[in-house]
Amino acid sequence: KAGVTQTPRYLIKTRGQQVTLSCSPISGHRSVSWYQQTPGQGLQFLFEYFSETQRNKGNFPGRFSGRQFSNSRSEMNVSTLELGDSALYLCASKRDSSNEKLFFGSGTQLSVL
Amino acid sequence: KQEVTQIPAALSVPEGENLVLNCSFTDSAIYNLQWFRQDPGKGLTSLLLIQSSQREQTSGRLNASLDKSSGRSTLYIAASQPGDSATYLCAVTPPSMNRDDKIIFGKGTRLHILP
Repeated sequence: KAGVTQTPRYLIKTRGQQVTLSCSPISGHRSVSWYQQTPGQGLQFLFEYFSETQRNKGNFPGRFSGRQFSNSRSEMNVSTLELGDSALYLCASKRDSSNEKLFFGSGTQLSVL
Repeated sequence: KQEVTQIPAALSVPEGENLVLNCSFTDSAIYNLQWFRQDPGKGLTSLLLIQSSQREQTSGRLNASLDKSSGRSTLYIAASQPGDSATYLCAVTPPSMNRDDKIIFGKGTRLHILP
């Protein structure tokens, strides 16, 4: 059974640009959540999607957005990139909306220059 | 506001020793607590999940305990091996599913097993 797949693995962008990250969950998983990990702040929750609906959102500015498609694949978008957005972005999936084990992808390492 | 703390931030122990990693949380109203392992530059691997009503969970050489009254969880690793070297994170899930509640992670303990 394939795991959670995130693409691309690495990204380099400049300030002011926008970026879209992709996440394909484990087959049969309908919940996808996104996280930002930095050395200073650690791992922080961005948002969760279930059945194409955003169920929960962390304390991030509106420049961070996401969506989920009917096949449960999810994308995350960051507009008007800032230097502080440099981080490892992780997504995780689980079967449904209950609080069960999370399965993480390997992440997208974003560098903003 | 829930806060999750992991002390120490880093730990080195000789191979073969048993060790305990700590996780503290400020709000005892939780749904579950999870322990994860993260290798450098990689995602997280779920190790153990303890439901709020449980006291402990075991998997192989790993045992996790939960004491909600004291706001503590421990991860016990028996007979440590060099392959156990990684960062270990704990995460607390809130009891409700409303839009203001979210999972909170500790910053992790970086474990190094000395061969």
